Amino acid sequence: LAKTTQPISMDSYEGQEVNITCSHNNIATNDYITWYQQFPSQGPRFIIQGYKTKVTNEVASLFIPADRKSSTLSLPRVSLSDTAVYYCLVGDTFGGKLIFGQGTELSVKP
Amino acid sequence: GAVVSQHPSWVICKSGTSVKIECRSLDFQATTMFWYRQFPKQSLMLMATSNEGSKATYEQGVEKDKFLINHASLTLSTLTVTSAHPEDSSFYICSARIAGETYEQYFGPGTRLTVT
Repeated sequence: LAKTTQPISMDSYEGQEVNITCSHNNIATNDYITWYQQFPSQGPRFIIQGYKTKVTNEVASLFIPADRKSSTLSLPRVSLSDTAVYYCLVGDTFGGKLIFGQGTELSVKP
Repeated sequence: GAVVSQHPSWVICKSGTSVKIECRSLDFQATTMFWYRQFPKQSLMLMATSNEGSKATYEQGVEKDKFLINHASLTLSTLTVTSAHPEDSSFYICSARIAGETYEQYFGPGTRLTVT
């Protein structure tokens, strides 16, 4: 399972775009990249998943360069309610296990 | 869709007793469920993988005789913490993967265990 590295914490202000980058240098061919969000005392919530290039959904975008050794989660126009811990995970499609790294604690200020 | 519930949401027990935590997939069948433990200000730590109808696979360092996992049906997995001690106090979270589908896991809301 590929190990991931993310910044421990980030600060932002309401209305700004936030980009959180995750490094996964030893990502394997079958690995997908998935991001989860977790609020205190709650289970993680799926945000977005991708394999390569760019993926966009109603809450975020995920940018993955050609070498796939990193990925960037982009949150447009954050609000106070986006304050949470964001986890980047890498694993193969049918492997099942998700190994969580340290995550990035995002703090959005008014 | 894809809702996972846990029961109880919080529990307090005395040292030496056992406590059971249930994880249910409410609107889908889950051949595989996972159990995690999370201490304050730390990340989730995978404890074990639970497969319906077979023995759970425990991660290195997790005592299988202390953390009993049963996955008797496609919608229910249970974690029993036996002879609980204060150091077992933690936030326990389960997740489930839809049978036949790929990578996405759906997480339960977690169970806060406090051992006094």
